[in-house]
Amino acid sequence: QSVLTQPPSVSAAPGQKVTISCSGSNSNIINNGVSWYQQLPGTAPRLLISSDSQRPSEIPDRFSVSKSGTSVTLAITGLQTGDEADYFCGTWSTGLNSWVSGGGTKLTVL
Amino acid sequence: QLQLQESGPGLLKPSETLSLTCSVSGGSIRINNYYWGWIRQSPEKGLEWIATIYYSGASYRNPSLRSRVTISVDTSNNQFSLKVSSVTAADTAIYYCVRHQRDRPSVAGFGYFYSMDVWGKGTMVTVS
Repeated sequence: QSVLTQPPSVSAAPGQKVTISCSGSNSNIINNGVSWYQQLPGTAPRLLISSDSQRPSEIPDRFSVSKSGTSVTLAITGLQTGDEADYFCGTWSTGLNSWVSGGGTKLTVL
Repeated sequence: QLQLQESGPGLLKPSETLSLTCSVSGGSIRINNYYWGWIRQSPEKGLEWIATIYYSGASYRNPSLRSRVTISVDTSNNQFSLKVSSVTAADTAIYYCVRHQRDRPSVAGFGYFYSMDVWGKGTMVTVS
């Protein structure tokens, strides 16, 4: 059971927008930065959005995040088939004194 | 371009000690504001943070694994290592070495506002 909660799967058509939620608690997300990782099939995860909500230079601005209380949402616009991947959120938990993550969300581009 | 490469045995028996090394190339491990760590991934637990170390030797471990985990750094050879003792089937996973970047300059120590900006390809470890 993961500390952060993500939907197991989401799907949308090419060109559409999809959002992936990451829900936590007062001991993790609310005062800490949340980072996002993309894992393409058969590869290692890669940083998508840093804990300070910044994108690495190679990540297009189709990817963005927003935060509200103990939840963070990743938005992907202009979906492409190459976006099909697993997406993970992660943050530091002051309660557990540990980095914690969500269970991952599988994005399918129909 | 910085690259990380994990190495170590892929198959262990229960109760043995897992030893992995991460070789850093394309950059120095002795760099301020970056930490070096290990993450593992399994279908049962997803991504699990194991431990992290600074080039000075300051280290941090997941409390749930602390009693079995040792992390060390070898700046002379630009590498860092992980040991997990008394392994069981629950330790079966893909093990990744990572670099942690500090996302906010005002942050002191490790934990808050860090991201894993470089990942190794991962190495599969099976305990059976």
